Amino acid sequence: EPEVTQTPSHQVTQMGQEVILRCVPISNHLYFYWYRQILGQKVEFLVSFYNNEISEKSEIFDDQFSVERPDGSNFTLKIRSTKLEDSAMYFCASSEGRGQVYGYTFGSGTRLTVV
Amino acid sequence: KNEVEQSPQNLTAQEGEFITINCSYSVGISALHWLQQHPGGGIVSLFMLSSGKKKHGRLIATINIQEKHSSLHITASHPRDSAVYICAVPMYSGGGADGLTFGKGTHLIIQP
Repeated sequence: EPEVTQTPSHQVTQMGQEVILRCVPISNHLYFYWYRQILGQKVEFLVSFYNNEISEKSEIFDDQFSVERPDGSNFTLKIRSTKLEDSAMYFCASSEGRGQVYGYTFGSGTRLTVV
Repeated sequence: KNEVEQSPQNLTAQEGEFITINCSYSVGISALHWLQQHPGGGIVSLFMLSSGKKKHGRLIATINIQEKHSSLHITASHPRDSAVYICAVPMYSGGGADGLTFGKGTHLIIQP
């Protein structure tokens, strides 16, 4: 069964550094999403991306965050000047159409630890 | 903005028991999602439903749109069903938005 692949599975970074989290969505999927889950809390929506632009973002997704689809296969989340509170599990998801209609496939997540 | 409430937060049961997890949401939706989160953290989509009932193996999901309520049932529960089960719905009503808002999850432990 096709999978959404996320790398790395765990990343440790120093506070103030920039990190890039990478995702390879399912090849024929057109809609891409990032979510995060702070330890012990519920999963939160960050951003959705379609047709090479952001289609929707939450209030969490401020200027510190950016997303990009640099080529035909990767979808990245960049976090600039990381803070301790950015420590969380970050999930990528993709869908062949709008997720509300076609459903979502999630990756296994990247655990980001900011020290 | 939609709000999601799940109950119970924690559930411990014996192998073979029938399990029910409940989810309520606050505004009308196009579809509701049931997800499973494994101890390692990965999320697996179990069901997407907009009306009635769906069944997959020992899992059954039902939804009542009028009452804004859904249930996830597990028949003949097994220790491998131990996981966190999460309900998720669109953040906003109207069908235009695509982001999901999630419940806090139900931490299920099935003891042998």
